[in-house]
Amino acid sequence: DTAVSQTPKYLVTQMGNDKSIKCEQNLGHDTMYWYKQDSKKFLKIMFSYNNKELIINETVPNRFSPKSPDKAHLNLHINSLELGDSAVYFCASSQSVLSGPGELFFGEGSRLTVL
Amino acid sequence: AQSVTQLGSHVSVSEGALVLLRCNYSSSVPPYLFWYVQYPNQGLQLLLKYTSAATLVKGINGFEAEFKKSETSFHLTKPSAHMSDAAEYFCAVGAGYALNFGKGTSLLVTP
Repeated sequence: DTAVSQTPKYLVTQMGNDKSIKCEQNLGHDTMYWYKQDSKKFLKIMFSYNNKELIINETVPNRFSPKSPDKAHLNLHINSLELGDSAVYFCASSQSVLSGPGELFFGEGSRLTVL
Repeated sequence: AQSVTQLGSHVSVSEGALVLLRCNYSSSVPPYLFWYVQYPNQGLQLLLKYTSAATLVKGINGFEAEFKKSETSFHLTKPSAHMSDAAEYFCAVGAGYALNFGKGTSLLVTP
């Protein structure tokens, strides 16, 4: 049973389209994250939610909108996709950031290719 | 702001040789430090973490890292490389509510 699961694993789409990536964790964690990994493998934090509340909102275009319907789910919706959005998007979770920086558990990633 | 720098984007070792991957940190508070490994087309997996309990931290797959405050370093080592160790390795530091990652070091193991 996968601890942090993301769907879809691969997305290929045209510029201008809208797409969503879904993430679910079954670890009972309070905090979830979206990270973006670019073509040079650099990982950058985008968003984080703690128990459905947004706690990190890095400098990310407004076209990116996260949503956390409950603490086990964190989705990412991207509007008007651009070529530069091509990347691997990782969902992660941790027990609770309120007790300090802890281990992140990562999903397998969703590779987005914008043509 | 807390950050890490990984020295060397690519490291090549022979099978059976010592693995040394370098990481230096910058932090205004006592750091929480981590090493993660990423195999091709997979997510990141925790190798080990330092949370101020012991300066020498043992992790999975025979890896260990030593926290040296005087050198602001947290280098990752393994005495004898195995072919299966070939992967991307990331050092990370706790930064507020998230982890900040280094740029990664790609480890190549040759027969």
